[in-house]
Amino acid sequence: GDSVTQMEGPVTLSEEAFLTINCTYTATGYPSLFWYVQYPGEGLQLLLKATKADDKGSNKGFEATYRKETTSFHLEKGSVQVSDSAVYFCALVRGSTLGRLYFGRGTQLTVWP
Amino acid sequence: NAGVTQTPKFQVLKTGQSMTLQCAQDMNHEYMSWYRQDPGMGLRLIHYSVGAGITDQGEVPNGYNVSRSTTEDFPLRLLSAAPSQTSVYFCASSYVQGQINSPLHFGNGTRLTVT
Repeated sequence: GDSVTQMEGPVTLSEEAFLTINCTYTATGYPSLFWYVQYPGEGLQLLLKATKADDKGSNKGFEATYRKETTSFHLEKGSVQVSDSAVYFCALVRGSTLGRLYFGRGTQLTVWP
Repeated sequence: NAGVTQTPKFQVLKTGQSMTLQCAQDMNHEYMSWYRQDPGMGLRLIHYSVGAGITDQGEVPNGYNVSRSTTEDFPLRLLSAAPSQTSVYFCASSYVQGQINSPLHFGNGTRLTVT
């Protein structure tokens, strides 16, 4: 079945460090891919998305490229800030059924000043 | 602009008790859903609805009931709470199911503990 695998956390970085959070997926067909972010005490918010192979989603300095050949959608940011501390979730939806949005387990990121 | 509102924020139940988690949205969204979030498990879909009067099961529906009598409200009922239902519950909505450009809007969650 469809699934998403994220790198285990927690990830701890110093401010201005480079961030990579790995995400790989298993799905038939051509899924759409998402990154959601959850700040402490809040619900999830959509960070970025990509709907077809080689698309690059970007927002708030974060980027992720849909790589069909490696079934990956790794999240990157060149210089993290303390305010980026949150839990990041990779997710996919196959076809057009948002009701079947599959989430990864989440990766906790802590950024120290 | 309230968005998705969940109540209560926290709840403690004893095994066997029943309760309803409330979810309301003021964005005229057709699609509403319930997820549970457990440590190391990510989010798992419990039930969802594509419009008033229509509901369907997600990945983990057992022990939960839902109904959708209005567009705005989508309550989640626990008929007989069990310790395995201790979790954080999130309600989420979007304009139309299946619209990739219509992202899910999440509430701030209900933290439920069953003793």
